[in-house]
Amino acid sequence: EVQVVESGGGLIQPGESLRLSCAASGFIVTSDYMTWVRQAPGKGLEWVSIIYIDGSTYYADSVRGRFTISRDSSKNTLYLQMNSLRAEDTAVYYCARVTAGAFDLWGQGTMVTVSS
Amino acid sequence: DIQMTQSPSSLSASVRDRVIITCRASQSISTYVNWYQQKPGKAPKLLIYAASSLQSGVPSRFSGSGSGTDFTLTISSLQPEDFATYYCQQSYSTLFSFGPGTKVDIK
Repeated sequence: EVQVVESGGGLIQPGESLRLSCAASGFIVTSDYMTWVRQAPGKGLEWVSIIYIDGSTYYADSVRGRFTISRDSSKNTLYLQMNSLRAEDTAVYYCARVTAGAFDLWGQGTMVTVSS
Repeated sequence: DIQMTQSPSSLSASVRDRVIITCRASQSISTYVNWYQQKPGKAPKLLIYAASSLQSGVPSRFSGSGSGTDFTLTISSLQPEDFATYYCQQSYSTLFSFGPGTKVDIK
């Protein structure tokens, strides 16, 4: 089955770090563009980051310099390293496969709560 | 950065109604627009890509149109399972962005 499954969310204090994982099956993460999208409680969707097939990475202004997207071909897994977390980073984080610019395969999401 | 706006922000409609949601980009983006449906507690689902192409498995009552800065999502005959929030998204820029969403609920 073609799917992505996120993990790694939880409750964390402001200023700390967290790494999210997105395990893919049925396709190869390094052969597709992959992206992270987040959704704060009761709010809309916010694009976070993307990694291209060639390894190029791009970030939303709100996370640039604090978050890092990466992938591991041996584990067929996408990651989001999140540093210097803030209360406003509290959200459900989704990973998605990107096909022709559209996010065509989404995971179920993992919740990140930043609070003291 | 490219800003996406949607109207209306919410609407109430009845089953079998025709529903039209509008999305506008802050600059011309050709047909680099995609549409998603999201139900409470669930991940978004891709409906339309490249402004007017129907994603595989999506019912034909959904359609998209537009180019440049103005785009529409049309549901030709609203069904009970279509009550949800709809988002447009631009893929013209490497810095992707979503519209704020349109919530469709039952009249």
